[in-house]
Amino acid sequence: KAGVTQTPRYLIKTRGQQVTLSCSPISGHRSVSWYQQTPGQGLQFLFEYFSETQRNKGNFPGRFSGRQFSNSRSEMNVSTLELGDSALYLCASTPSGLATYNEQFFGPGTRLTVL
Amino acid sequence: GENVEQHPSTLSVQEGDSAVIKCTYSDSASNYFPWYKQELGKRPQLIIDIRSNVGEKKDQRIAVTLNKTAKHFSLHITETQPEDSAVYFCAAINNDMRFGAGTRLTVKP
Repeated sequence: KAGVTQTPRYLIKTRGQQVTLSCSPISGHRSVSWYQQTPGQGLQFLFEYFSETQRNKGNFPGRFSGRQFSNSRSEMNVSTLELGDSALYLCASTPSGLATYNEQFFGPGTRLTVL
Repeated sequence: GENVEQHPSTLSVQEGDSAVIKCTYSDSASNYFPWYKQELGKRPQLIIDIRSNVGEKKDQRIAVTLNKTAKHFSLHITETQPEDSAVYFCAAINNDMRFGAGTRLTVKP
């Protein structure tokens, strides 16, 4: 099976712009979670999508949003970018969700730089 | 919400020695505790996990213990090797996933 893929791998934006990141889960996995990784804050949970519905949400402002399509691919959108949004954004997939003890498989991440 | 504390932040051991990383969590409803290894420039990878109805789990040189009463869990790596050098993250899951801040483990040959 192909692993979790994320596009693009690198992105440079300026403050105030918006960005959309994409994540394709492992075939058959219906849950996709998103995480932000920064040197200062570590790994932080953004949200989880399962069967096109947001199931759980972390403590991030409304500028961070996401969605999931019927083929389980997920997108994450950040509007009105701030310098502090510079980070590695990771997505991870599991067959049936975070609360079901299934191993999460991470994608390679998208490195976002906000200038 | 859940808060996960991880110690130490850095750990340096000699090859062949053991390494122990400890985490505490605040949400008593957390029921699944995975550990991830992240090498430089790579994605996190699950190395071992434990469910709340189990006290200890072992996989070759790696073991995890869980004390639900005290709300802490630990990762034990025995006979460390240089390739064990990485950042290790603990996590606790209830309905969301909270990570510890990470431990940078260095194994000196």
